[in-house]
Amino acid sequence: QKEVEQNSGPLSVPEGAIASLNCTYSDRGSQSFFWYRQYSGKSPELIMSIYSNGDKEDGRFTAQLNKASQYVSLLIRDSQPSDSATYLCAVNIPYSGAGSYQLTFGKGTKLSVIP
Amino acid sequence: GAGVSQSPRYKVAKRGQDVALRCDPISGHVSLFWYQQALGQGPEFLTYFQNEAQLDKSGLPSDRFFAERPEGSVSTLKIQRTQQEDSAVYLCASSLDPSKGAEEQYFGPGTRLTVT
Repeated sequence: QKEVEQNSGPLSVPEGAIASLNCTYSDRGSQSFFWYRQYSGKSPELIMSIYSNGDKEDGRFTAQLNKASQYVSLLIRDSQPSDSATYLCAVNIPYSGAGSYQLTFGKGTKLSVIP
Repeated sequence: GAGVSQSPRYKVAKRGQDVALRCDPISGHVSLFWYQQALGQGPEFLTYFQNEAQLDKSGLPSDRFFAERPEGSVSTLKIQRTQQEDSAVYLCASSLDPSKGAEEQYFGPGTRLTVT
């Protein structure tokens, strides 16, 4: 079973704090990892992609990847109420045969930033 | 520039009716994906096109679901004889060319299908 696991939350943090969102995946062959933000009633919006072990920073967002531990995380610094949303972890889990770039998503973590 | 567009945004169908959902990807994007998202869940993969070729349809839940992309741009997802369990949001995503490393997928607004 190819799985992506996330804590469903809700995760509540005060405004200005660091929010830490975590994701684990089952397939060691996975190479591509993505974080999406989804506001209620809206479609997923790509925030970050990460392909190599280590950290990748973009503004207030940092993605961290550890392939040995099969773990990917997203840190949001200086959290704002507008960051309140569900955060989806997505992994390209390779399948045999013709190349397919389908994403396998976790169920998402709901983040609430309290003013 | 324009993002992924989908139509209709909302569709109500009586059980047993056929529906067609349209996706217009970002211009120049080679790959197109369809996902189904149930309430409180992450999107689940349905099918994938590279240009006009349907390379992966492993996620289609039954033979009532059919997708096409005849000219390698606009795609249509068709559901025949709709059932209540088909009620969900259907999301379309496109990416520039994942076979060349441009894997990021960008989603359209989705079509919310309700089967009564």
